[in-house]
Amino acid sequence: AQTVTQSQPEMSVQEAETVTLSCTYDTSESDYYLFWYKQPPSRQMILVIRQEAYKQQNATENRFSVNFQKAAKSFSLKISDSQLGDAAMYFCAYGSSNTGKLIFGQGTTLQVKP
Amino acid sequence: GAVVSQHPSRVICKSGTSVKIECRSLDFQATTMFWYRQFPKKSLMLMATSNEGSKATYEQGVEKDKFLINHASLTLSTLTVTSAHPEDSSFYICSARPSGKVNEQFFGPGTRLTVL
Repeated sequence: AQTVTQSQPEMSVQEAETVTLSCTYDTSESDYYLFWYKQPPSRQMILVIRQEAYKQQNATENRFSVNFQKAAKSFSLKISDSQLGDAAMYFCAYGSSNTGKLIFGQGTTLQVKP
Repeated sequence: GAVVSQHPSRVICKSGTSVKIECRSLDFQATTMFWYRQFPKKSLMLMATSNEGSKATYEQGVEKDKFLINHASLTLSTLTVTSAHPEDSSFYICSARPSGKVNEQFFGPGTRLTVL
């Protein structure tokens, strides 16, 4: 079975600074996707970034980028120039290409200090 | 585009009653929808996979007779919590996967269920 682990329950960052959220996963599948989702207090899940496992190049979306280390099964999220609106719970998720199911990590609550 | 709605957003019911939650994909067709449960400040736990026109697939430990899922059309899946009890109180979230897409899911805004 696939598992996703986020070892940082809480993180804080100063506004305009950079923060990295950690995520590791375990799988025996060869074809999969990895995601970072943001869940603000409204609890609406928002896709931040997506990485296809077959791609070596790390995905980037504006201020958000990932460090995908396939051999180490690591998938961290870097947020640059942090903004107050980035404060939320962040979930790392594994997506099986076979079933389409998403397996979520425990989440990391990010606080952004002004 | 890619909007998923849930109704109701909040529901309070008495113990022993049944509650139906609707999940709709508003601007795309979804052969597959997923239902999740989330406790406060916790992760999303997949409850079941709902496939249009066929029976839902439940995750281990989820009672299929307790949580009835119907996916009668390509834009609507429903979750019915039967004979609800206080321990069923939770936040229920659905997601919809556009037909033909494996790696995309769009999430609904969630439904907060409180059972008194």
